[in-house]
This record gives sequence, C-alpha cells and structure tokens, in this order.
Amino acid sequence: DQQVKQNSPSLSVQEGRISILNCDYTNSMFDYFLWYKKYPAEGPTFLISISSIKDKNEDGRFTVFLNKSAKHLSLHIVPSQPGDSAVYFCAASRSGTYKYIFGTGTRLKVLA
Amino acid sequence: DAGITQSPRHKVTETGTPVTLRCHQTENHRYMYWYRQDPGHGLRLIHYSYGVKDTDKGEVSDGYSVSRSKTEDFLLTLESATSSQTSVYFCATTGTSGYTFGSGTRLTVV
Repeated sequence: DQQVKQNSPSLSVQEGRISILNCDYTNSMFDYFLWYKKYPAEGPTFLISISSIKDKNEDGRFTVFLNKSAKHLSLHIVPSQPGDSAVYFCAASRSGTYKYIFGTGTRLKVLA
Repeated sequence: DAGITQSPRHKVTETGTPVTLRCHQTENHRYMYWYRQDPGHGLRLIHYSYGVKDTDKGEVSDGYSVSRSKTEDFLLTLESATSSQTSVYFCATTGTSGYTFGSGTRLTVV
C-alpha cells in the first residue's frame, strides 16, 4: 500500500509560470515532509521541508504548503526556470523513526 | 554534503551470482540507508542501519542483506541476483534536514 502518492507522473510548464507539484499521504502519524529534486544520473538532493506544526514554508522560488486535514502537500515553484526540469519526490516521516517514505515522483519539464 | 561515495557506479552481473554494493560516508552519521529506484515505484527502502552492527529491514528487503562493521561503511549484498533486482541503488545518510544521497549504483542483472 502506497503511503505517499504523487498522482501526476509528469508535468510541463512554460518558463516563467508557476509549477505546482502535488503529494498525498495516508498515514496521519507523518509529521515531517520533504521535497527532493533529482537530475538524471545523480542522487536526489534536498529542496525544502515542512513540519506538521506549520502550513507553509518558503525558500526563494520554492514554497511548500501542507494541508493536514486533507493529508496533502504541494510544492510551488515561481517563476519556473528550465533548470528546474527534473524529477521531484515528496517524502514523509514520523518523529523518531528516522525513515522516510517516498512518493513515486513527478517529472517536471519547464519549456523555454 | 555528507561526503557519500558509492561503489561501483555501474555493474552488470549474471543471474544467480552474489553482488555487494558499498557505501562510504565521511561525516560520522549514525543512520545509513539503502534505497532502490524503479520507474513507477519511486524510491523504496531496502534496509537501514542505526549504528554499527545495528540494522533493520525496509519495505523491500527480500533477497538483500546488509552489514555495518564500521560507522563509515554500509554494505548491501544481493545474495543471489535476479533480474527483478536490476535497478538503481542509492545510499543515504541522515543530515540536518533529511537525507543526503550518494550518486547511485546502476545494477543490471542479465
């Protein structure tokens, strides 16, 4: 059973517009969430995180929103740039477990 | 950057042979992990370690074993490789905000 789901395998966005990547989770015990970006032939790299005590975290062009009641988080990238083209994974964790459960990933393509 | 090195970067092996992948970290992190990445499945946890000689199973541990005799090294062994174990394998350690990943090992079982 997939505890963390990214239902859109791919997304294409024009350069300069907003990219919105979505992630849903089923385990209400998850209390820490992260987004990772992955380029081909490289390991995933940390992008941004959010704790369940917040509903929004912002870092430059990247903002993560958390809706605990809906068990949903989203990553907004504004403005999108061609260098943002990558696979994005969301991940969730429960305090004290030191393990992250990953979604299946969304491939973002930003068109110049 | 946790200084994680995976070796080898690429390997082709035959069905039924044992294979060992190595992960080496230079940051003295306590936790280390092995994940595999497959299309449609994302990243799935195979095994993890919370200290020297302390390991536990993840979601997809069947057919894999691990060992951690030193803090800096975490080995993943495919006891008898099968074609279903063709994948990209990532090692990770726990950093300040989450995981730091190695660059991956692409394993092909023919």
